Amino acid sequence: AQSVAQPEDQVNVAEGNPLTVKCTYSVSGNPYLFWYVQYPNRGLQFLLKYITGDNLVKGSYGFEAEFNKSQTSFHLKKPSALVSDSALYFCAVRGYTGKLIFGQGTTLQVKP
Amino acid sequence: EAQVTQNPRYLITVTGKKLTVTCSQNMNHEYMSWYRQDPGLGLRQIYYSMNVEVTDKGDVPEGYKVSRKEKRNFPLILESPSPNQTSLYFCASSLSAGGGKTQYFGPGTRLLVL
Repeated sequence: AQSVAQPEDQVNVAEGNPLTVKCTYSVSGNPYLFWYVQYPNRGLQFLLKYITGDNLVKGSYGFEAEFNKSQTSFHLKKPSALVSDSALYFCAVRGYTGKLIFGQGTTLQVKP
Repeated sequence: EAQVTQNPRYLITVTGKKLTVTCSQNMNHEYMSWYRQDPGLGLRQIYYSMNVEVTDKGDVPEGYKVSRKEKRNFPLILESPSPNQTSLYFCASSLSAGGGKTQYFGPGTRLLVL
């Protein structure tokens, strides 16, 4: 069965420090992996995706993610966190019927 | 502007009173889907549609119905809502179901069933 895990409910970082939000997946075959962000009282916004090719994927708002096939991970990263990055982040893998299979979400708190 | 719209954004209702949440996209997408978001569970798919007149159950379809009469619209129907359907609902669409096509989400509908 396909699944996604986000092992941390919350990640706290200081503004200006690098951040990492972790995601591991379990799929058979080649995965299509996504990161979305949800700001309070807003919908989900697409950040980036991995389809194939370069393992380092760059996305919106300075975020990037590193695909690691051997570790089945797709961690979200940003070199320098902003207070405005504080939000709920979801990792997802696209399933056979086209559905997105989501992790439970990680709240990122960036302190000034 | 390319977007997915949902209405209403907020809804309070009582058990058993039928309701419909509308969803519309202006991107000519073939694939549309409904998800519900519950704390600690992420988002789970309720129903999806590969194209007009083609719909199928997702992971949590009980208590819901959908229809896809037009490409742009994909309403979610709760014929007899119950309190366990209190949730945040998202409609999403993508060009197709296959490959790594990005799904774009509506703003969400927060439903409270008393």
